[in-house]
Amino acid sequence: DTGVSQNPRHKITKRGQNVTFRCDPISEHNRLYWYRQTLGQGPEFLTYFQNEAQLEKSRLLSDRFSAERPKGSFSTLEIQRTEQGDSAMYLCASSRGQQNTEAFFGQGTRLTVV
Amino acid sequence: AQSVTQLGSHVSVSEGALVLLRCNYSSSVPPYLFWYVQYPNQGLQLLLKYTTGATLVKGINGFEAEFKKSETSFHLTKPSAHMSDAAEYFCAVTVPWGGATNKLIFGTGTLLAVQP
Repeated sequence: DTGVSQNPRHKITKRGQNVTFRCDPISEHNRLYWYRQTLGQGPEFLTYFQNEAQLEKSRLLSDRFSAERPKGSFSTLEIQRTEQGDSAMYLCASSRGQQNTEAFFGQGTRLTVV
Repeated sequence: AQSVTQLGSHVSVSEGALVLLRCNYSSSVPPYLFWYVQYPNQGLQLLLKYTTGATLVKGINGFEAEFKKSETSFHLTKPSAHMSDAAEYFCAVTVPWGGATNKLIFGTGTLLAVQP
């Protein structure tokens, strides 16, 4: 069990550029979540995958955001035409597909849009 | 819909003193409740969780929390603070029923400072 891995850990980008983040969940976990955390706030839910199916998206996920989880393994979160308001920590979590199970979090990707 | 309120965005205690971090939740159905800890520039680590059964739950690092349905509370305590407990703590709720996604709804967090 190597834990949830996120890459890159830090990303600085210019406004208007596209960025993509990757999350590798724990291998036997079929549930995967993306959260966004801004300074001084708790994480906010963005989207949820069960295997390769994206089953829920938050209203926070504007049309500039897209997430995929091909083959139910790793996941990517892409932000197009980044804005300064996108600056945040993006956290990925995974869990087994059962009740009463813990969500394991990655260390996050900190995005700074300048 | 579920929500979590954490009273006190900053709490400061002396080393060896009692730690009490407050969390109140709102949920129309029986919730699962969690406390996570976050160190600077790190992800979240689960301290403890309440699902069903015993209302007093013990977690890692000497922390415990009690689920009080009548007060809709899930306060986190530790009898004696250690310098290494300095971190941000998040209370979270989820509703795992009816094929739900089990997404977590977090409070705004409490930053714990431990003074020597």
